[in-house]
Amino acid sequence: ETGVTQSPTHLIKTRGQQVTLRCSSQSGHNTVSWYQQALGQGPQFIFQYYREEENGRGNFPPRFSGLQFPNYSSELNVNALELDDSALYLCASSLRTGQETQYFGPGTRLLVL
Amino acid sequence: TQLLEQSPQFLSIQEGENLTVYCNSSSVFSSLQWYRQEPGEGPVLLVTVVTGGEVKKLKRLTFQFGDARKDSSLHITAAQPGDTGLYLCAGWGDMRFGAGTRLTVKP
Repeated sequence: ETGVTQSPTHLIKTRGQQVTLRCSSQSGHNTVSWYQQALGQGPQFIFQYYREEENGRGNFPPRFSGLQFPNYSSELNVNALELDDSALYLCASSLRTGQETQYFGPGTRLLVL
Repeated sequence: TQLLEQSPQFLSIQEGENLTVYCNSSSVFSSLQWYRQEPGEGPVLLVTVVTGGEVKKLKRLTFQFGDARKDSSLHITAAQPGDTGLYLCAGWGDMRFGAGTRLTVKP
């Protein structure tokens, strides 16, 4: 059974640029959630995708967008990067929406200069 | 908005000591989860508590859910260096995490 993987592991961008982060969910899982974890903080929920549809969103602006593909992998896109977007971005997969266990990937560390 | 406050924010202890960390909210949760996160990794689920007053044990870790389902605690007995990490509580259902307690256990 393959765990949750994320790419890239690290990324450096400048203000105003756009970034795409990728997540491959654990085999058999159909739900992916994305979180932003700033230094010294807990993860903040960005949004969740279930069977290719957005299934909930946290308090993040529209420049944070996502996709889920038929194989249940997912992308997080952030436009017009700001310095405060520097953080660890985590994705987590689960079998379906609800109170099932989430399995987290190792994250992508984004630095915006 | 259901806010989760964790305390202490930082904790540094010697191997063999006992410790308790707390997760508090002014709101009622249907269930709470505890995770541990190590550097360079994502959080790993330790336990889910669902029933008010529930106590769950995982080896040297004891988790308790408050009777009113507004708070939870994690007690570690005879801490070991391998327990070092960021301990996070999360209110399940609304995907909300506390800021965590960063535990360091010195050999």
